Amino acid sequence: DVKVTQSSRYLVKRTGEKVFLECVQDMDHENMFWYRQDPGLGLRLIYFSYDVKMKEKGDIPEGYSVSREKKERFSLILESASTNQTSMYLCASRSKGGGAYGYTFGSGTRLTVV
Amino acid sequence: GQQLNQSPQSMFIQEGEDVSMNCTSSSIFNTWLWYKQDPGEGPVLLIALYKAGELTSNGRLTAQFGITRKDSFLNISASIPSDVGIYFCAGDYNAGNMLTFGGGTRLMVKP
Repeated sequence: DVKVTQSSRYLVKRTGEKVFLECVQDMDHENMFWYRQDPGLGLRLIYFSYDVKMKEKGDIPEGYSVSREKKERFSLILESASTNQTSMYLCASRSKGGGAYGYTFGSGTRLTVV
Repeated sequence: GQQLNQSPQSMFIQEGEDVSMNCTSSSIFNTWLWYKQDPGEGPVLLIALYKAGELTSNGRLTAQFGITRKDSFLNISASIPSDVGIYFCAGDYNAGNMLTFGGGTRLMVKP
Protein backbone atom coordinates (compact mmCIF):
# COMPACT_ATOMS: atom_id res chain seq x y z
CA ASP A 1 0.00 0.00 0.00
CA VAL A 2 1.53 3.29 -1.10
CA LYS A 3 2.11 5.81 1.57
CA VAL A 4 2.97 9.33 2.54
CA THR A 5 4.16 9.31 6.14
CA GLN A 6 4.39 12.35 8.34
CA SER A 7 6.64 11.72 11.29
CA SER A 8 4.46 13.26 13.99
CA ARG A 9 0.70 13.40 14.39
CA TYR A 10 0.82 15.97 17.18
CA LEU A 11 3.54 18.42 18.17
CA VAL A 12 3.69 21.09 20.85
CA LYS A 13 6.52 23.59 20.55
CA ARG A 14 7.49 26.82 22.24
CA THR A 15 7.57 30.21 20.60
CA GLY A 16 10.97 30.84 19.03
CA GLU A 17 11.89 27.18 18.63
CA LYS A 18 13.12 25.83 15.31
CA VAL A 19 10.68 23.13 14.23
CA PHE A 20 11.15 20.36 11.67
CA LEU A 21 8.19 18.57 10.11
CA GLU A 22 9.21 15.50 8.18
CA CYS A 23 7.44 13.81 5.29
CA VAL A 24 8.47 10.60 3.54
CA GLN A 25 6.84 8.93 0.53
CA ASP A 26 7.49 5.45 -0.81
CA MET A 27 6.05 5.91 -4.30
CA ASP A 28 9.12 7.36 -6.05
CA HIS A 29 7.15 10.54 -6.73
CA GLU A 30 8.98 13.55 -8.08
CA ASN A 31 6.56 16.16 -6.74
CA MET A 32 6.00 16.90 -3.09
CA PHE A 33 3.96 19.61 -1.39
CA TRP A 34 3.40 21.19 2.01
CA TYR A 35 0.02 22.72 2.88
CA ARG A 36 -1.39 24.21 6.01
CA GLN A 37 -5.05 23.89 6.86
CA ASP A 38 -6.96 26.30 9.04
CA PRO A 39 -10.72 26.43 9.69
CA GLY A 40 -12.49 28.42 7.00
CA LEU A 41 -9.32 28.90 4.94
CA GLY A 42 -9.10 25.58 3.13
CA LEU A 43 -5.71 24.23 2.04
CA ARG A 44 -2.99 26.82 1.56
CA LEU A 45 0.21 25.92 -0.25
CA ILE A 46 3.41 26.74 1.62
CA TYR A 47 6.14 25.22 -0.55
CA PHE A 48 6.51 22.55 -3.19
CA SER A 49 9.31 20.66 -4.86
CA TYR A 50 9.53 19.13 -8.31
CA ASP A 51 12.77 17.27 -7.76
CA VAL A 52 15.61 16.70 -5.39
CA LYS A 53 17.15 19.97 -4.20
CA MET A 54 14.48 21.97 -6.05
CA LYS A 55 11.95 24.08 -4.21
CA GLU A 56 9.35 26.67 -5.12
CA LYS A 57 7.41 29.06 -2.92
CA GLY A 58 3.70 28.59 -2.66
CA ASP A 59 1.12 31.11 -1.51
CA ILE A 60 2.25 31.53 2.11
CA PRO A 61 5.99 30.81 2.41
CA GLU A 62 6.79 33.49 4.98
CA GLY A 63 8.25 32.05 8.17
CA TYR A 64 8.91 28.67 6.56
CA SER A 65 11.66 26.97 4.61
CA VAL A 66 12.01 23.49 3.12
CA SER A 67 14.64 20.90 2.37
CA ARG A 68 14.63 18.12 -0.23
CA GLU A 69 17.95 16.31 -0.09
CA LYS A 70 16.51 12.94 -1.11
CA LYS A 71 13.67 12.16 -3.47
CA GLU A 72 11.56 10.45 -0.85
CA ARG A 73 11.86 13.08 1.88
CA PHE A 74 10.53 16.64 2.02
CA SER A 75 11.02 18.58 5.23
CA LEU A 76 9.22 21.73 6.33
CA ILE A 77 11.14 24.00 8.68
CA LEU A 78 9.72 26.70 10.90
CA GLU A 79 12.76 28.88 11.50
CA SER A 80 11.37 30.51 14.64
CA ALA A 81 7.96 29.18 15.58
CA SER A 82 5.23 31.65 16.39
CA THR A 83 1.73 31.17 17.78
CA ASN A 84 0.16 32.09 14.42
CA GLN A 85 1.80 28.99 12.97
CA THR A 86 -0.40 26.79 15.11
CA SER A 87 -2.18 24.74 12.47
CA MET A 88 -2.68 21.40 10.76
CA TYR A 89 0.13 20.70 8.28
CA LEU A 90 -0.41 18.32 5.39
CA CYS A 91 2.23 16.82 3.14
CA ALA A 92 1.33 15.41 -0.29
CA SER A 93 3.11 13.81 -3.22
CA ARG A 94 2.36 13.21 -6.88
CA SER A 95 4.15 11.56 -9.77
CA LYS A 96 5.72 13.65 -12.53
CA GLY A 97 3.24 14.42 -15.27
CA GLY A 98 0.41 14.41 -12.81
CA GLY A 99 -0.68 10.86 -12.30
CA ALA A 100 -4.27 9.89 -12.84
CA TYR A 101 -5.32 10.21 -9.24
CA GLY A 102 -3.95 13.51 -8.09
CA TYR A 103 -2.18 13.76 -4.78
CA THR A 104 -1.56 11.24 -2.06
CA PHE A 105 -1.74 12.98 1.30
CA GLY A 106 -0.15 12.17 4.61
CA SER A 107 -2.24 11.96 7.77
CA GLY A 108 -1.21 15.44 8.85
CA THR A 109 0.70 16.97 11.74
CA ARG A 110 -1.22 19.11 14.17
CA LEU A 111 1.23 21.68 15.49
CA THR A 112 0.55 23.81 18.52
CA VAL A 113 2.95 26.67 19.31
CA VAL A 114 2.70 27.95 22.86
CA GLY B 1 -3.20 31.41 -5.55
CA GLN B 2 -6.42 30.50 -7.24
CA GLN B 3 -9.04 28.58 -5.35
CA LEU B 4 -12.15 26.97 -6.66
CA ASN B 5 -15.49 28.23 -5.39
CA GLN B 6 -16.94 25.40 -3.35
CA SER B 7 -20.37 25.52 -1.73
CA PRO B 8 -21.84 25.19 0.71
CA GLN B 9 -19.12 25.83 3.27
CA SER B 10 -20.86 23.62 5.80
CA MET B 11 -23.94 21.43 6.09
CA PHE B 12 -25.68 19.95 9.11
CA ILE B 13 -28.09 17.25 8.04
CA GLN B 14 -30.13 14.41 9.44
CA GLU B 15 -28.99 10.83 8.91
CA GLY B 16 -30.65 9.39 5.82
CA GLU B 17 -30.84 12.68 3.94
CA ASP B 18 -29.21 13.23 0.58
CA VAL B 19 -26.40 15.76 0.24
CA SER B 20 -25.25 17.86 -2.68
CA MET B 21 -22.19 20.09 -2.98
CA ASN B 22 -20.53 21.77 -5.94
CA CYS B 23 -17.46 23.55 -7.22
CA THR B 24 -17.18 26.23 -9.84
CA SER B 25 -14.25 27.88 -11.53
CA SER B 26 -13.61 30.73 -13.94
CA SER B 27 -11.06 28.50 -15.69
CA ILE B 28 -11.53 25.17 -17.42
CA PHE B 29 -10.10 21.96 -16.06
CA ASN B 30 -9.43 18.63 -17.72
CA THR B 31 -9.76 16.60 -14.55
CA TRP B 32 -11.91 17.03 -11.47
CA LEU B 33 -11.19 15.19 -8.24
CA TRP B 34 -13.17 14.87 -5.03
CA TYR B 35 -11.45 14.17 -1.70
CA LYS B 36 -12.78 13.44 1.78
CA GLN B 37 -10.95 14.31 4.96
CA ASP B 38 -11.98 12.45 8.10
CA PRO B 39 -11.50 14.36 11.34
CA GLY B 40 -7.82 14.41 12.28
CA GLU B 41 -6.67 12.73 9.06
CA GLY B 42 -5.37 13.71 5.63
CA PRO B 43 -7.67 13.92 2.58
CA VAL B 44 -8.34 10.71 0.67
CA LEU B 45 -9.45 10.51 -2.96
CA LEU B 46 -13.10 9.55 -3.46
CA ILE B 47 -13.77 10.05 -7.15
CA ALA B 48 -11.82 11.19 -10.21
CA LEU B 49 -13.49 12.57 -13.36
CA TYR B 50 -11.66 12.85 -16.68
CA LYS B 51 -14.18 13.84 -19.35
CA ALA B 52 -16.64 16.70 -19.67
CA GLY B 53 -20.14 15.42 -18.97
CA GLU B 54 -18.85 12.30 -17.21
CA LEU B 55 -21.02 10.96 -14.39
CA THR B 56 -19.29 8.56 -12.01
CA SER B 57 -20.54 6.68 -8.98
CA ASN B 58 -18.73 5.13 -6.05
CA GLY B 59 -21.25 3.45 -3.78
CA ARG B 60 -23.56 6.15 -2.39
CA LEU B 61 -21.45 8.87 -3.99
CA THR B 62 -22.08 10.31 -7.43
CA ALA B 63 -20.02 13.03 -9.08
CA GLN B 64 -20.29 14.80 -12.40
CA PHE B 65 -17.83 16.73 -14.55
CA GLY B 66 -19.69 19.75 -15.94
CA ILE B 67 -20.11 20.13 -19.67
CA THR B 68 -18.43 23.54 -19.63
CA ARG B 69 -15.44 21.98 -17.78
CA LYS B 70 -15.76 24.77 -15.23
CA ASP B 71 -17.78 22.98 -12.59
CA SER B 72 -18.41 19.70 -10.82
CA PHE B 73 -20.83 18.41 -8.22
CA LEU B 74 -20.80 15.63 -5.66
CA ASN B 75 -23.93 13.96 -4.32
CA ILE B 76 -24.14 11.64 -1.33
CA SER B 77 -27.30 9.61 -1.00
CA ALA B 78 -28.80 8.34 2.27
CA SER B 79 -26.15 9.89 4.49
CA ILE B 80 -24.78 7.99 7.49
CA PRO B 81 -22.78 9.22 10.50
CA SER B 82 -19.44 8.12 9.02
CA ASP B 83 -19.96 10.56 6.15
CA VAL B 84 -18.92 13.28 8.58
CA GLY B 85 -15.83 15.16 7.43
CA ILE B 86 -14.59 17.82 5.04
CA TYR B 87 -15.06 17.29 1.33
CA PHE B 88 -12.69 19.02 -1.09
CA CYS B 89 -12.95 19.41 -4.82
CA ALA B 90 -9.78 19.81 -6.88
CA GLY B 91 -9.15 20.72 -10.51
CA ASP B 92 -6.28 19.73 -12.75
CA TYR B 93 -5.75 21.54 -16.03
CA ASN B 94 -2.94 19.83 -17.87
CA ALA B 95 -2.14 16.72 -15.82
CA GLY B 96 0.59 18.92 -14.47
CA ASN B 97 2.07 18.94 -11.07
CA MET B 98 -0.23 21.06 -8.96
CA LEU B 99 -3.92 20.80 -8.17
CA THR B 100 -6.23 23.73 -7.47
CA PHE B 101 -8.46 23.13 -4.45
CA GLY B 102 -11.85 24.32 -3.32
CA GLY B 103 -12.27 25.71 0.16
CA GLY B 104 -13.99 22.56 1.42
CA THR B 105 -17.49 21.60 2.58
CA ARG B 106 -17.77 20.53 6.19
CA LEU B 107 -20.48 17.89 6.55
CA MET B 108 -22.07 17.07 9.88
CA VAL B 109 -24.62 14.27 10.20
CA LYS B 110 -27.06 14.00 13.08
CA PRO B 111 -27.95 10.40 13.93
